[in-house]
Order: sequence, then structure tokens, then C-alpha cells
Amino acid sequence: GDSVTQMEGPVTLSEEAFLTINCTYTATGYPSLFWYVQYPGEGLQLLLKATKADDKGSNKGFEATYRKETTSFHLEKGSVQVSDSAVYFCALKKAANDYKLSFGAGTTVTVRA
Amino acid sequence: NAGVTQTPKFQVLKTGQSMTLQCAQDMNHNSMYWYRQDPGMGLRLIYYSASEGTTDKGEVPNGYNVSRLNKREFSLRLESAAPSQTSVYFCASSTDREATIYFGEGSWLTVV
Repeated sequence: GDSVTQMEGPVTLSEEAFLTINCTYTATGYPSLFWYVQYPGEGLQLLLKATKADDKGSNKGFEATYRKETTSFHLEKGSVQVSDSAVYFCALKKAANDYKLSFGAGTTVTVRA
Repeated sequence: NAGVTQTPKFQVLKTGQSMTLQCAQDMNHNSMYWYRQDPGMGLRLIYYSASEGTTDKGEVPNGYNVSRLNKREFSLRLESAAPSQTSVYFCASSTDREATIYFGEGSWLTVV
């Protein structure tokens, strides 16, 4: 079935460091891909998404490119801040009009001042 | 500006007890969802409601029932709680299946 695998955490970084969180997926067809973020004590929020191959999603300085050839959707940010400390989830929908989101296990990121 | 509101936020149950998690959204969304989050497993869909009056099973429906009470409210019921149902539960909603899904803050449930 459809699944998402993301790098295990926790990840600890210093402010202004470069962040990469790897995400690969297994799915037939052309899934839509998402990154969600969960700040401490809050629910999940959509960070960015991409719905077709080679699309790049971006938001709040984060970027991820939908790579069909490597079945990947890695999340990157060039210079992290303490406020980026959160749990990040990679997710996919089998098709844009599917109800079900399949999530990765989540990666906890802590940024130190 | 409430969005998706879940109650209760924390609950401890004894094995065999029943309880209902309540969820309400004020965004006039058609679709609503219940997910559970377990360590190392991400979020898994329990049930969803595509629109008022309909409900469907997700990935892990066993041991749960749901009710779409009206367009705003979608409740999740545990009839006979088991320790395996210890988890964090998230309610979510969206305009339709193609739209962004908005999540509540979560309900922490412990079954002892």
C-alpha cells in the first residue's frame, strides 16, 4: 500500500544552520505530497505541498521538490530559527481527490540559540 | 477564530469504560476526520465523514464508532476502551477532499 518514510529524529541544530529532513514515498500513480508541522501544544498545520512531479512547494523559508524519479520530497530550510522547533510530518494522498492522508512517523527538530 | 475544537484535551479511562471525544469546526467545512497518533507511526485515519450524513471507515476503525451529528460536529466513541487505544487523537476538517486539511490541537487519551 501507499506509505511514507521519513528520517528519524530527533534532530538538534544551532540557529542559522541548514536543515534537511528526508522523505521518500511508495505509491502507485501520481500522489500529492505534503509537509505538515506541529508546534508544541498545537495541532498539525499544512506547511507546503506539491501535487505533481517537479513541483516545488515553499512556505516560511521551507522548500521541498517532488522528485518522481527518486520518489522523494525532502524538506529543506537554509537558515533555521528557534521558532522552527517542531515536529515535521511528511504525508501523501494517493490522488488529489482522495480522502486519506498517509503520514510518516514525524521528525522532531530542536533549534538551539 | 476557533477552527477545529476538540474536547476533552486529556482523559484517563479504565479498561472497559466508554467515552466520546467531541469535535466541532466553525469553518463551514463539508469533510471531517478522526486520526490517531502513536509514537513512531505517524497519524492514521480512523474514520472520516465526506459530508453531513455520511461516514466511512479509514485505516484503523476497529473499536471505534463515529457520529456526524450535523455539519459542524463529528464525534468519536470508544464503546469499551482497551489499553491499545491509548493514543493522541486528532480531529480535522476540510472543505472537500481536495482541499487543505485543518487539524485540532489533539486529545490525549490513556487507557489503564
